Amino acid sequence: NAGVTQTPKFRVLKTGQSMTLLCAQDMNHEYMYWYRQDPGMGLRLIHYSVGEGTTAKGEVPDGYNVSRLKKQNFLLGLESAAPSQTSVYFCASSYDRRYEQYFGPGTRLTVT
Amino acid sequence: QQQVKQSPQSLIVQKGGISIINCAYENTAFDYFPWYQQFPGKGPALLIAIRPDVSEKKEGRFTISFNKSAKQFSLHIMDSQPGDSATYFCAASMIYNQGGKLIFGQGTELSVKP
Repeated sequence: NAGVTQTPKFRVLKTGQSMTLLCAQDMNHEYMYWYRQDPGMGLRLIHYSVGEGTTAKGEVPDGYNVSRLKKQNFLLGLESAAPSQTSVYFCASSYDRRYEQYFGPGTRLTVT
Repeated sequence: QQQVKQSPQSLIVQKGGISIINCAYENTAFDYFPWYQQFPGKGPALLIAIRPDVSEKKEGRFTISFNKSAKQFSLHIMDSQPGDSATYFCAASMIYNQGGKLIFGQGTELSVKP
């Protein structure tokens, strides 16, 4: 039981490049979330999903897109990376909105 | 109104002392207040959580105190240990609304000196 896994762990992008971050969970959770963590700002929600095939915007959705084609996977895409997107990205999942969110180990992204 | 304000930003405590971290919120619709603990290089993990219908919740050395009228809640770590050194985040959400989204505080970096 791996819990929540994220791929890749580290990535360096040049401005304007695109990439996809993959989150996978093996707990059969319905809800999945993408957060970014920046120094002094806590974690901020980018997008979330309440079930397979659904997505919704969080606090800071601009510049990101997401997809939830399979229940166990939640993808975060950056179409044209900007230096302001340099951050640590965390994925989380929960069985239901009333339950604990389990976080993955994070992806450290640097955009130069 | 969606913000959660956390203080202090950093905290140094001697082993055996009490660590206290405070959070304040504005939105009275919040109905779930968890605290997360994060070690370097790891994702946050739920430590303890409280609903607004109780004023205090204790789990081992960790206690949440909740003041609904003041819209404040705090984490107390009794008998602090070096292994408690981590970053702590308070959060708030409206469980039955908006998909259980968590609004996090800015974080407190706790260092417990031996």
